[in-house]
Amino acid sequence: ELKVEQNPLFLSMQEGKNYTIYCNYSTTSDRLYWYRQDPGKSLESLFVLLSNGAVKQEGRLMASLDTKARLSTLHITAAVHDLSATYFCAVDLSGGSNYKLTFGKGTLLTVNP
Amino acid sequence: DAGVTQSPTHLIKTRGQQVTLRCSPISGHKSVSWYQQVLGQGPQFIFQYYEKEERGRGNFPDRFSARQFPNYSSELNVNALLLGDSALYLCASTWAGNTEAFFGQGTRLTVV
Repeated sequence: ELKVEQNPLFLSMQEGKNYTIYCNYSTTSDRLYWYRQDPGKSLESLFVLLSNGAVKQEGRLMASLDTKARLSTLHITAAVHDLSATYFCAVDLSGGSNYKLTFGKGTLLTVNP
Repeated sequence: DAGVTQSPTHLIKTRGQQVTLRCSPISGHKSVSWYQQVLGQGPQFIFQYYEKEERGRGNFPDRFSARQFPNYSSELNVNALLLGDSALYLCASTWAGNTEAFFGQGTRLTVV
């Protein structure tokens, strides 16, 4: 059974600081996704990582994938309050049209002024 | 272009009742997946449909069923509701060959 583990589960940081969220998964996969969820809202796609060594950046967020280590990271640079949300990583084992995601438990990020 | 739409957005049901949730995928998307998100947890996969056929099922009891229509919209049915079925139900649509899933705003189901 595929397990997806995120850490930390809770992260409180000050504005301007840097931090990394880690996502480990237990089965070989070369497709990993990061989503953001605001309270009471749906999931917003942040990054789609499709190969070993993939790195993508958007604003203050950068995601990377190491399929050999079965590890993805989401790095936050110079955090601002607007980044406060829950962040999920998800692994896709099925690919193509047979689509199924397994999510981690999420990291609740709070950025304090 | 409209995104994934789900209805209703909220509903309250009594234990033992039945509920039907609806989802319309993005135009051109032929695959719909359903997820259950209990408060404080990540979404859990329930079903995936592609071209009106069930292609995947998660670890949920037979009380949960779904179908996809010729226009690719989908319904999720839950029978004999339990308190533990209270959750946000999310629908995601994908286009075959495109690996990114787009989620609807969800249906918040409360069972009392």
